[in-house]
Amino acid sequence: DGGITQSPKYLFRKEGQNVTLSCEQNLNHDAMYWYRQDPGQGLRLIYYSQIVNDFQKGDIAEGYSVSREKKESFPLTVTSAQKNPTAFYLCASSPRGTEANQPQHFGDGTRLSIL
Amino acid sequence: GESVGLHLPTLSVQEGDNSIINCAYSNSASDYFIWYKQESGKGPQFIIDIRSNMDKRQGQRVTVLLNKTVKHLSLQIAATQPGDSAVYFCAENQRSNDYKLSFGAGTTVTVRA
Repeated sequence: DGGITQSPKYLFRKEGQNVTLSCEQNLNHDAMYWYRQDPGQGLRLIYYSQIVNDFQKGDIAEGYSVSREKKESFPLTVTSAQKNPTAFYLCASSPRGTEANQPQHFGDGTRLSIL
Repeated sequence: GESVGLHLPTLSVQEGDNSIINCAYSNSASDYFIWYKQESGKGPQFIIDIRSNMDKRQGQRVTVLLNKTVKHLSLQIAATQPGDSAVYFCAENQRSNDYKLSFGAGTTVTVRA
């Protein structure tokens, strides 16, 4: 089945530690996105990438880093500089918008907690 | 600032009744709107979308209405079922804003048996 796979489903981080969240898609989508969701809130954009080897900061990029070396993969690293990393992280992808917008499709998230 | 928001954080509806979830947006430049459904512990699931050149679009048991005059978006669910219990988000997109989505805070819908 085509879709977006996020792993792991649950992740625990120690203070001062970097962790990397995986996001893989087999939808052949050009654009990929990372969002953060806190309890009772909407999604906030961390980083996005419209094409391989290119990415842009979203609204809350501080303390995070990404790479886009392959079309199907867009890993997110939560660095020790992110002081409040506990959240639900969601990855999404979409065909690159040209003539018309397209909906983003989401994975099932990774829940990150601090030990 | 620009924002997408929902009128009510929670909605309780009797099984079999119709549900209406509302969303207000403030950016008149938005040209694309999406409704998502999110169940507990899962990612948002696409329900239906609408472009700004339309004022109504229907799907299976769902209808989205767009009123650009008052910047209002609504999702109507017909014959609400227990499986419709979830958090519903509206999102807006602007071609001029690099196709980034802006999400509202969500409405939690609870279906009573």
